[in-house]
Amino acid sequence: DTEVTQTPKHLVMGMTNKKSLKCEQHMGHRAMYWYKQKAKKPPELMFVYSYEKLSINESVPSRFSPECPNSSLLNLHLHALQPEDSALYLCASSQDRLGVGREDTQYFGPGTRLTVL
Amino acid sequence: GEDVEQSLFLSVREGDSSVINCTYTDSSSTYLYWYKQEPGAGLQLLTYIFSNMDMKQDQRLTVLLNKKDKHLSLRIADTQTGDSAIYFCAESMGNFGNEKLTFGTGTRLTIIP
Repeated sequence: DTEVTQTPKHLVMGMTNKKSLKCEQHMGHRAMYWYKQKAKKPPELMFVYSYEKLSINESVPSRFSPECPNSSLLNLHLHALQPEDSALYLCASSQDRLGVGREDTQYFGPGTRLTVL
Repeated sequence: GEDVEQSLFLSVREGDSSVINCTYTDSSSTYLYWYKQEPGAGLQLLTYIFSNMDMKQDQRLTVLLNKKDKHLSLRIADTQTGDSAIYFCAESMGNFGNEKLTFGTGTRLTIIP
């Protein structure tokens, strides 16, 4: 099973709303990722969690707040977003980030399509 | 530099072979990947190759890596309508496996009946 699930599939929110995106995997992976993908562009890395600790933050604005409550779950809390934050938000997971010299493929979820009005 | 480049579009007749090309600039990449993205969907891992290999075959897919020229290609044999999608190559960066993937610009593959 190489499934990563994401909810909701679609989300429309106003600029003053607070919402959360959820991601779940049951592959025993210890690294989890958030990506943002604008239309017709490749995914851009936002955050990496390794063993439930934030290991990479790609200078993402504080209106995006990640959380990793346990090794299977990854959340992205959203507050005071701007219309330009509208995009497809992709979650991914991989076995672990300490796999020096061995394959550690990232598996992606289907994404949450976010629209900020 | 970390730029990964691909042609934006490719059109192929059904039943022919498709060849999608990718060039990258970071010679320290450890793994190189091909992902497929259908409209409105997430990324599906197709295949990957370790940087010390020059070829990998997996059913209809053949990956060729020319490390000297930093050129990666994906060949899809007997292309079908279900192969219509955007294909991204990606390289892994850093010393700890693939916590950072850098994606190419993506190639939109269109199948002509």
